[in-house]
Amino acid sequence: GENVEQHPSTLSVQEGDSAVIKCTYSDSASNYFPWYKQELGKRPQLIIDIRSNVGEKKDQRIAVTLNKTAKHFSLHITETQPEDSAVYFCAASKIGDSARQLTFGSGTQLTVLP
Amino acid sequence: DSGVTQTPKHLITATGQRVTLRCSPRSGDLSVYWYQQSLDQGLQFLIQYYNGEERAKGNILERFSAQQFPDLHSELNLSSLELGDSALYFCASSPRLDGYEQYFGPGTRLTVT
Repeated sequence: GENVEQHPSTLSVQEGDSAVIKCTYSDSASNYFPWYKQELGKRPQLIIDIRSNVGEKKDQRIAVTLNKTAKHFSLHITETQPEDSAVYFCAASKIGDSARQLTFGSGTQLTVLP
Repeated sequence: DSGVTQTPKHLITATGQRVTLRCSPRSGDLSVYWYQQSLDQGLQFLIQYYNGEERAKGNILERFSAQQFPDLHSELNLSSLELGDSALYFCASSPRLDGYEQYFGPGTRLTVT
């Protein structure tokens, strides 16, 4: 089955700096890579996702890049703000015409220092 | 607010007991997924239902079962509870079968004492 590794497990940045979280996946057939943000005690919230037919996707201060050859994808947050502090999870799946589950990474605790 | 609802929000029960967690998916979503989140195991997929039928199974214990009803709400039943079952249980819903765009509910925090 799919295995997703996520690094780093913790990340502290100064407000205004950029943050980068990296994930690698094992199944070359995976083609859908969402990112979730989870604040303490709350639900994981889908913040951005990318399919394997594109290499990069941006949404305001958030971007995701995908390298299919190397089987890794990254989340980039620019101009970080204290409200970006949360746990971020990457995930991988193969979307298509059959039932699929998301396989999650172990999470990155991001702390933005004011 | 994702549009996915879960009840109850908190549940405290004793070892050996049985509980039922309830999930209502977003309007129009046919897929419901159940996840368990614990400190040591992270976010783990348990089971998926699509339009009333079980479609995928993950690391779900035999003591756990689920079903999806004709109105598309789903219930996760946990029996013979052990201390290690204490966790956050999330359901997520998606309009599709294949896991694309899953939206999570607020979760049920289960504490087994």
